[in-house]
Amino acid sequence: AQTVTQSQPEMSVQEAETVTLSCTYDTSENNYYLFWYKQPPSRQMILVIRQEAYKQQNATENRFSVNFQKAAKSFSLKISDSQLGDTAMYFCAFHPNTGNQFYFGTGTSLTVIP
Amino acid sequence: DVKVTQSSRYLVKRTGEKVFLECVQDMDHENMFWYRQDPGLGLRLIYFSYDVKMKEKGDIPEGYSVSREKKERFSLILESASTNQTSMYLCASSFTGTGSVEQYFGPGTRLTVT
Repeated sequence: AQTVTQSQPEMSVQEAETVTLSCTYDTSENNYYLFWYKQPPSRQMILVIRQEAYKQQNATENRFSVNFQKAAKSFSLKISDSQLGDTAMYFCAFHPNTGNQFYFGTGTSLTVIP
Repeated sequence: DVKVTQSSRYLVKRTGEKVFLECVQDMDHENMFWYRQDPGLGLRLIYFSYDVKMKEKGDIPEGYSVSREKKERFSLILESASTNQTSMYLCASSFTGTGSVEQYFGPGTRLTVT
């Protein structure tokens, strides 16, 4: 069974600072995808960043980057130069290549403080 | 851009009513999903469909059914709404294969059952 764990229910960060959100997962699969999704208050869930397990290089998207540690089954999200618009719920998700399902963590609520 | 739309943003129904939630996607995605989102529980999969007329139960299918008569449309049905089905319902779609496999989400329907 696949499980995704986000151990930080709530976090806060000062504007312009850097914050790291943690995610661990459990799987016996070798090929899979990992995602971070962002859900702003009362707004639609959108994809922040994606990592393919066979790629060793960590994915980056502007101010967002990941630290993917396959052996440790860890997939953390780093947000640099935090902005007020980064305030949102962040979900980590796992998708095995062998199926159609996605597995989500319970989310981390991030607040950026002005 | 991929667009996933849901028939209602807010819905109030009475206990025992039959409730229909509709989801439409415009990217010719094979897979469509219905999730329920509750605070502290993350996203829980109700049902998903990988093709027209095909469906599979997720983690919490009890009290729900689905219909997929056309590729772009996936409906969630609450046969007899109960107060414990008050929740946020999210629809998502995704492509099957390698590459762009991430899910795209609709805006959500906040259902209140009184």
